[in-house]
Amino acid sequence: AQTVTQSQPEMSVQEAETVTLSCTYDTSENNYYLFWYKQPPSRQMILVIRQEAYKQQNATENRFSVNFQKAAKSFSLKISDSQLGDTAMYFCALVSGTYKYIFGTGTRLKVLA
Amino acid sequence: SQTIHQWPATLVQPVGSPLSLECTVEGTSNPNLYWYRQAAGRGLQLLFYSVGIGQISSEVPQNLSASRPQDRQFILSSKKLLLSDSGFYLCAWSQQGFTGELFFGEGSRLTVL
Repeated sequence: AQTVTQSQPEMSVQEAETVTLSCTYDTSENNYYLFWYKQPPSRQMILVIRQEAYKQQNATENRFSVNFQKAAKSFSLKISDSQLGDTAMYFCALVSGTYKYIFGTGTRLKVLA
Repeated sequence: SQTIHQWPATLVQPVGSPLSLECTVEGTSNPNLYWYRQAAGRGLQLLFYSVGIGQISSEVPQNLSASRPQDRQFILSSKKLLLSDSGFYLCAWSQQGFTGELFFGEGSRLTVL
């Protein structure tokens, strides 16, 4: 069975600072995708960043980047220059050829002014 | 462009009453379709997914059921609601044959009293 674990239920960061959210996963598949989704107070799920397992290069999207450690099955999200609008619940997710997207329990991030 | 619509947005139902949540995708054909439930502290729990008409996979044994009467329509139902069915329900879709981004609807808040 595939699992996704987020061990940080809540985190806070000062505006303009950098924060890293942790995610570990388990799968027996060789080909899979990893995602970070953001859920702001509006509750609309928004894709933040995506990583293909076969790519060694870490994905980046503006202020968001990941540290993908395939052997350790770790997929952390780094947010640089944190902004108030980054306040949200962040979910790590995994999908493989079974088409089942498995999500972690989420990390609630609060950016402080 | 593709869009996903989910309704109703809010629902308050008594214990033992039936349930029907509906989801429709526009602008694509033969999508993979998903129902998730979000409960406090439990992240996104995959309830059902479908890779084609009449093909429904159930992930969690419960008193809920799903149907896909048309290619781009996904319905979540219950004959008799339980208190534990309360939560935030999210419909989502992804491209067939491609394990890429999962696109979410706006969600449905169900309160069972």
